[in-house]
Amino acid sequence: AQRVTQPEKLLSVFKGAPVELKCNYSYSGSPELFWYVQYSRQRLQLLLRHISRESIKGFTADLNKGETSFHLKKPFAQEEDSAMYYCALSGSSDKLIFGTGTRLQVFP
Amino acid sequence: GAVVSQHPSWVICKSGTSVKIECRSLDFQATTMFWYRQFPKQSLMLMATSNEGSKATYEQGVEKDKFLINHASLTLSTLTVTSAHPEDSSFYICSATGTGSTYEQYFGPGTRLTVT
Repeated sequence: AQRVTQPEKLLSVFKGAPVELKCNYSYSGSPELFWYVQYSRQRLQLLLRHISRESIKGFTADLNKGETSFHLKKPFAQEEDSAMYYCALSGSSDKLIFGTGTRLQVFP
Repeated sequence: GAVVSQHPSWVICKSGTSVKIECRSLDFQATTMFWYRQFPKQSLMLMATSNEGSKATYEQGVEKDKFLINHASLTLSTLTVTSAHPEDSSFYICSATGTGSTYEQYFGPGTRLTVT
């Protein structure tokens, strides 16, 4: 079964601290993994995707097929990073399977 | 670019009535549109996938006759909640993928439906 697990509902850190939002997935083939972000009162938007292997707003995520993980990391959190983060998986179709989301709070 | 709009942004209706929600791609042609439902503090649950000119594909457990989806053009999909009940109250979000883009979905701002 296709599933995305985000074990943390809430992650609170202070500004400047490292951040890691965990994401594990279950999929029998070769999925494409994404991180979406939703800032307060804004729509969901794509943050990054594993195939692009790029850093967006200082965030990176590496696909670890052995551990079936796609954790999102940032070495120094900023207050403006406070948002809801969703990990998502896409398999053979265009459909996205979302995790339950992690709320990141960055305190000053 | 790649903007998706939804109308209305919020709606209140009485039990038993029907409500139509529109999803439009403003600056691109959307070959596929998706409809999600999001309960408070929960994740997005895919309801159905619609392709222009063909019938929508519903996810397991989603009532086709209750949630009517029409994708009449490459820029418009509609979701009609028929005979609405209070338990249908939720946040409905659409997204769209354009021609030539693989897997990237552009999301609308959502529509909050409250059934009284």
